[in-house]
Amino acid sequence: DGGITQSPKYLFRKEGQNVTLSCEQNLNHDAMYWYRQDPGQGLRLIYYSQIVNDFQKGDIAEGYSVSREKKESFPLTVTSAQKNPTAFYLCASSSWGTGITYEQYFGPGTRLTVT
Amino acid sequence: QKEVEQNSGPLSVPEGAIASLNCTYSDRVSQSFFWYRQYSGKSPELIMSIYSNGDKEDGRFTAQLNKASQYVSLLIRDSQPSDSATYLCVALQTGANNLFFGTGTRLTVIP
Repeated sequence: DGGITQSPKYLFRKEGQNVTLSCEQNLNHDAMYWYRQDPGQGLRLIYYSQIVNDFQKGDIAEGYSVSREKKESFPLTVTSAQKNPTAFYLCASSSWGTGITYEQYFGPGTRLTVT
Repeated sequence: QKEVEQNSGPLSVPEGAIASLNCTYSDRVSQSFFWYRQYSGKSPELIMSIYSNGDKEDGRFTAQLNKASQYVSLLIRDSQPSDSATYLCVALQTGANNLFFGTGTRLTVIP
């Protein structure tokens, strides 16, 4: 089956701990993205990557870090510097290049709760 | 003005009726638009994309793009209770591959 997987589905952490969220895709997409969604709000872009070993900050990158060592994988680390980390985190992927449509496909999400 | 604006609703329609979801956009977006459906607690699912002025139909769904008036809409014919969800209007940022997301319209189809 082609698709995007995220793990874990639910994650609980104590304040002050770093936590890494996994995202893997087998769609052969070049670009991958991380969003967070808070209740009643739209999706906000954290980081994105268009190619292996390269990534760009989105609108709310502070307190987060990413890596893109493989095309299939784009893990997100939520650091202790993130002031309000409790949220629903969504990973997405899309094709990238001239003349394509940039449709993004989402993984099932990870719901992070920090207390 | 926000890049993409939706009426947050909620919108309620009886089963079998037509549900009409609307969205306006600013000059900061390109001419690529997407509608996603998001069930409560789940991730967004792409249901329609539209790039040209006019209508695009896919089963019970019709997306409409009016560039002159800068609005895009989604019509759901023969609405079913399973269509009850939040619908996100999404636009591609001009000159980039980043997306602008509306805050969503919650639709409830009443049996």
